[in-house]
Amino acid sequence: DQQVKQNSPSLSVQEGRISILNCDYTNSMFDYFLWYKKYPAEGPTFLISISSIKDKNEDGRFTVFLNKSAKHLSLHIVPSQPGDSAVYFCAARNTNAGKSTFGDGTTLTVKP
Amino acid sequence: NAGVMQNPRHLVRRRGQEARLRCSPMKGHSHVYWYRQLPEEGLKFMVYLQKENIIDESGMPKERFSAEFPKEGPSILRIQQVVRGDSAAYFCASSPRSFGSGELFFGEGSRLTVL
Repeated sequence: DQQVKQNSPSLSVQEGRISILNCDYTNSMFDYFLWYKKYPAEGPTFLISISSIKDKNEDGRFTVFLNKSAKHLSLHIVPSQPGDSAVYFCAARNTNAGKSTFGDGTTLTVKP
Repeated sequence: NAGVMQNPRHLVRRRGQEARLRCSPMKGHSHVYWYRQLPEEGLKFMVYLQKENIIDESGMPKERFSAEFPKEGPSILRIQQVVRGDSAAYFCASSPRSFGSGELFFGEGSRLTVL
């Protein structure tokens, strides 16, 4: 039972355009959602998070949108840069449970 | 401020041997998590520890795997009698708190290869 799903294994966009990465979840008890970025042979690094009481959080070029009724969140990167090419993991957690549950990741390629 | 330190970065073991993976959390972080990434898969939760306590081990295989986070020293993930299916990248992460967004700070991972 995969509680966090990233249905697109890969995404390719042109430099300067918008990248939109999607994530769906099933557990309504999740109260925080996070995005991590991972380069090959490195550990994931935290990008941005959103509380379940909000529907949008923005940090520079990165914006996360949350649609609780649809149990869906998305990460928007604009403008996309070649250095953004990496694997992006969506994660969700229930503060009471402690652990974070990760999706399988989406590989983003930004072409110059 | 040093990040999460994992060692060894690469470990090769033959079937039946033991693997020990170490993780030193960031300074001031008392929450440690271990995740496993199998080839072509995502990050799967294994265990969540605080100093001297296992908080959640729901992701740990029932046999051969154990974890500890002693009062002094690093957290250890131990795999006994390794099999080829244990070949994976094992990531340790730490956090200063369990409440709030609880973002994780990951180490660079330990890559285990079982021959």
